[in-house]
Amino acid sequence: DAKTTQPNSMESNEEEPVHLPCNHSTISGTDYIHWYRQLPSQGPEYVIHGLTSNVNNRMASLAIAEDRKSSTLILHRATLRDAAVYYCIHYKAPEKTSYDKVIFGPGTSLSVIP
Amino acid sequence: DAGVIQSPRHEVTEMGQEVTLRCKPISGHDYLFWYRQTMMRGLELLIYFNNNVPIDDSGMPEDRFSAKMPNASFSTLKIQPSEPRDSAVYFCASSLMAGGFETQYFGPGTRLLVL
Repeated sequence: DAKTTQPNSMESNEEEPVHLPCNHSTISGTDYIHWYRQLPSQGPEYVIHGLTSNVNNRMASLAIAEDRKSSTLILHRATLRDAAVYYCIHYKAPEKTSYDKVIFGPGTSLSVIP
Repeated sequence: DAGVIQSPRHEVTEMGQEVTLRCKPISGHDYLFWYRQTMMRGLELLIYFNNNVPIDDSGMPEDRFSAKMPNASFSTLKIQPSEPRDSAVYFCASSLMAGGFETQYFGPGTRLLVL
């Protein structure tokens, strides 16, 4: 299984940046790092993914350590709608459809304070 | 587009009963996935289909679980007989193409409680 380690919970004030860390020390060279989030009573929602370089999209930024054993999801300005559980996972390159059996761990529950 | 539709949203049943969960994928998507989510084990892939054909069912816990996809717009996940340890949220997801999870769109889930 592709193991990741995340803090159980974090808090942020509204309109402030949030840095969500993830350790993935067992990552292999071809694994992509993915972040998903799950709002209450909803299914997981894709946030961002990357391989080696830092990535930006309209939702967030992903900072990947040089040794790729850790990464940080950055929400630049937290809103109340960002309150969710955030999952960090890694798996084989997208062109390979071999999915791990257990893919999401407990994740980080983010609370946003108005 | 209505997104992935799952029914029922909540199901409470007694041990030993048959449970059928339903999923309607996004129109035009060729891949359909069934997942189970529990506090203990997180989100697990159970089975996935490509063009209505099961590709990998190695995540199905045991013979009590079965899944079908009779056509491109409908899939079922059946548990017979159900047991309390099957209590979980079951998600269906669909995808337009092969590849990573960034291509998958998840439904709202079915919360199953087996008493």
